[in-house]
Amino acid sequence: ETTLTQSPAFMSATPGDKVNISCKASQDIDDDMNWYQQKPGEAAIFIIQEATTLVPGIPPRFSGSGYGTDFTLTINNIESEDAAYYFCLQHDNFPLTFGGGTKVEIK
Amino acid sequence: QVQLVESGGGVVQPGGSLRLSCAASGFTFSSYGMHWVRQAPGKGLEWVAFIRYDGSNKYYADSVKGRFTISRDNSKNTLYLQMNSLRAEDTAVYYCAMGSSGPDYWGQGTLVTVSS
Repeated sequence: ETTLTQSPAFMSATPGDKVNISCKASQDIDDDMNWYQQKPGEAAIFIIQEATTLVPGIPPRFSGSGYGTDFTLTINNIESEDAAYYFCLQHDNFPLTFGGGTKVEIK
Repeated sequence: QVQLVESGGGVVQPGGSLRLSCAASGFTFSSYGMHWVRQAPGKGLEWVAFIRYDGSNKYYADSVKGRFTISRDNSKNTLYLQMNSLRAEDTAVYYCAMGSSGPDYWGQGTLVTVSS
């Protein structure tokens, strides 16, 4: 089973900041990494696929990088509407596994 | 627009059974794999099960293997999760999600509470 270690668990940002969220895999998963955003009471939104590809309709201030075991979600010029819970998922092998999640607060 | 609506959640006693349904619309259901994912109160996300577009292959988390069964009816655009021998630790919000590799689009979830 592939373990995903996501950090930080919580972060507070000011509008306009650049935010980085890390997800490290316990084994090589190529680029089989997705990122999601979830707000309370709402369905999760798919934002990055295959580590680096922005899902259509997602603002370009979101980006993903990484390959193998180290991955990063970056939010440039963060906005108040980006306050949410973010999580990573690997789909390289079964069972699929999630990172522990990051709660992003906007000051 | 992809829409996934889960139903069938509720309160059940330990050892009991429940069947969840997920009604899909806005895409060609029979062309995509489907997942169930859950989130226990105050906990992280846990992938539960996956079924290929035609039902030919199914995969399960070890924590539910032998107790839960994923199935689908492509004529009804509906995904199911039959949950037997339920335990307190199965208490969670259950989400269905569409995607042939990872879950792409998610529903809003249905709450299952296992309690006496």
